[in-house]
Amino acid sequence: DSGVTQTPKHLITATGQRVTLRCSPRSGDLSVYWYQQSLDQGLQFLIQYYNGEERAKGNILERFSAQQFPDLHSELNLSSLELGDSALYFCASSALNQGITDTQYFGPGTRLTVL
Amino acid sequence: GDSVTQMEGPVTLSEEAFLTINCTYTATGYPSLFWYVQYPGEGLQLLLKATKADDKGSNKGFEATYRKETTSFHLEKGSVQVSDSAVYFCALRGNFNKFYFGSGTKLNVKP
Repeated sequence: DSGVTQTPKHLITATGQRVTLRCSPRSGDLSVYWYQQSLDQGLQFLIQYYNGEERAKGNILERFSAQQFPDLHSELNLSSLELGDSALYFCASSALNQGITDTQYFGPGTRLTVL
Repeated sequence: GDSVTQMEGPVTLSEEAFLTINCTYTATGYPSLFWYVQYPGEGLQLLLKATKADDKGSNKGFEATYRKETTSFHLEKGSVQVSDSAVYFCALRGNFNKFYFGSGTKLNVKP
C-alpha cells in the first residue's frame, strides 16, 4: 500500500459527459501528479501540482483540468468525454518539488470506461 | 523533446535466468532516471533510480547504471524469480520536472 488513495476505482460513463477523479496524497506529501495509461499511448504524464499550484504540464488535453485543494487532495476533471479517453488514470504523490531525492508513490488508479 | 525507449515485450524467462531490459533515453540537460514496476491490478512502484551519470541504482537484486555516453539505463537481475513477473517501466524526469515513461516491458517468469 503506497498511501495514495484514489476514488472511484471504476467509472463507466457515456460520451459527452463529465467526470471527476479524486486523489489523496500520502500524508505529508505536497506534490501530486496525474497520469493516463492507455493501451495505445502507454503511460503519459498529464500534470503536476505542488502545494496547490500547478508546476508542470504534460500532454493534458484542454478538455481536462485539475486542481489541488488546501488540504492537498487533488481532482482531475474530464469533460466532453470521448471513447478514446477510456484509460487507467493514476495519481502519484511525492514529498518535494524538484529535490534529487524526490520519489513518486502511485495510487491504485481509476479505470474510466467511456461508452 | 525528451523521450524514453525501452525494449518491447513480453520477455519470457525461466526461473533463475539472467534478465536484461534495455532502456535508452533522449533528453536535454541532466535528467534523473527511474525504473518502476507494476504488478497486475496495482499502481506503479519505484524499483530504483539514479540521479547522475555513472550512478548505479539497485534494489531487490535489480540494478541499473546511468550511462551518459550511451544514453542508457538498462535494468538487470542476475537470477529472476516467478514473483518478478510484472510490467517494468523506464522513466526520466527532465526539465521543468516533467516525467516521461517508456511503453513498458512485460516480464513473465516460468517456474
